[in-house]
Amino acid sequence: DAGVTQSPTHLIKTRGQQVTLRCSPKSGHDTVSWYQQALGQGPQFIFQYYEEEERQRGNFPDRFSGHQFPNYSSELNVNALLLGDSALYLCASSLGGGQRSPLHFGNGTRLTVT
Amino acid sequence: AQSVAQPEDQVNVAEGNPLTVKCTYSVSGNPYLFWYVQYPNRGLQFLLKYITGDNLVKGSYGFEAEFNKSQTSFHLKKPSALVSDSALYFCAVSHSGGYQKVTFGIGTKLQVIP
Repeated sequence: DAGVTQSPTHLIKTRGQQVTLRCSPKSGHDTVSWYQQALGQGPQFIFQYYEEEERQRGNFPDRFSGHQFPNYSSELNVNALLLGDSALYLCASSLGGGQRSPLHFGNGTRLTVT
Repeated sequence: AQSVAQPEDQVNVAEGNPLTVKCTYSVSGNPYLFWYVQYPNRGLQFLLKYITGDNLVKGSYGFEAEFNKSQTSFHLKKPSALVSDSALYFCAVSHSGGYQKVTFGIGTKLQVIP
């Protein structure tokens, strides 16, 4: 049973560039949430996708955007990268978009902006 | 707005002793509470959850947590700590109503000393 997979595992970008991170949810899951985890901090909610729509959004600027595909996989796009965007980006999948389901996390993509 | 507080940055406990990792929360409506564990360079793993019912919740690896509504707390406990329990622990909250937005605490580093 495949868990949540994220790619790439590491990425180095320059300020002002754009980046796309990818996530495949756990088999049978239909909901994908994205989190940003800065060093020494807890995960911060970016947004959630369910039925190919953005259902919830955290306090992140419009430079952060996403997409969910019919097979439930998802992408996170970040434009005009800033040094402060350096973090571990975590994808989490769950079932049904509701609040009761535990999140299943991937191992994350470590983004470094120089 | 919902929030989670983990008042201890680090908890040290001797192997074989009981451990407690503290968490308090603030949320409108009925809380859904979760504990997750994170090992170095990995994503978060679900340990246990409280949705409704019995205030004492049992989870993976011998962990349990006690929900206390009057104190708005959800402390994580284990009767006998193992060295392998050393990791970063996150408390998280969501609530009934609307789509899933899970808010995480800052995390508590648990160090079990042999």
